[in-house]
Amino acid sequence: EVHLVESGGGLVQPGASLRLSCAASGLAVSNSNMIWVRQVPGKGPEWVSLMYVGGATYYADSVKGRFTLSRDNSKNTLYLQMNSLRPEDTALYHCVSVYGGSYWGQGTLVTVFS
Amino acid sequence: QAVVTQEPSLTVSPGGTVTLTCGSSTGAVTSTHYPHWFQQKPGQVPRTLIFDTNNKHSWTPARFSGSLLGGKAALTLSGAQPEDEAEYYCLLSYNGAYAFGAGTKVTVL
Repeated sequence: EVHLVESGGGLVQPGASLRLSCAASGLAVSNSNMIWVRQVPGKGPEWVSLMYVGGATYYADSVKGRFTLSRDNSKNTLYLQMNSLRPEDTALYHCVSVYGGSYWGQGTLVTVFS
Repeated sequence: QAVVTQEPSLTVSPGGTVTLTCGSSTGAVTSTHYPHWFQQKPGQVPRTLIFDTNNKHSWTPARFSGSLLGGKAALTLSGAQPEDEAEYYCLLSYNGAYAFGAGTKVTVL
């Protein structure tokens, strides 16, 4: 059974940084295309970033240059480093596998308050 | 980045059939967009119903099916149940990006 568990969210001021983690079990993050998705309550989900199996990373225009995706295969964990946070980054952040199936984590809440 | 389009809302009678569609601003949706469909109820995390156009997870009710229809991805609900009332989102893959549709609110009435 696949489980994705996000952590690392919190309450921060604009300009701060956070690192989100996505710990996986039941699948290998190195063998799955993985995306981060964020969702503001009452709104639709928004794609944030993508890591392909081969390691290439891509970002939505809204976060490009501020967010960085990485993974630690030995820990089977995906990371999203978020710098220069803005109030509009406030959302529930989910990691999602999108390779041969699609599994969502429960999410971690990021709140950027001014 | 691409814009993914969905019907804002659809209504279906209990036991009836409804088809939701998912289009792309870049042209016809094909299997290379690996269409996904998610169901979301208030206060819950989205749940994957369909991945890669027409593949189901073990938890996907048999009444849901995915396909390509007229240049769009489609989700068909046959034999709607009251518990199917929810928001439905599609997700398309592009070269180096993904994009969600804005969602279709399905009412069973």
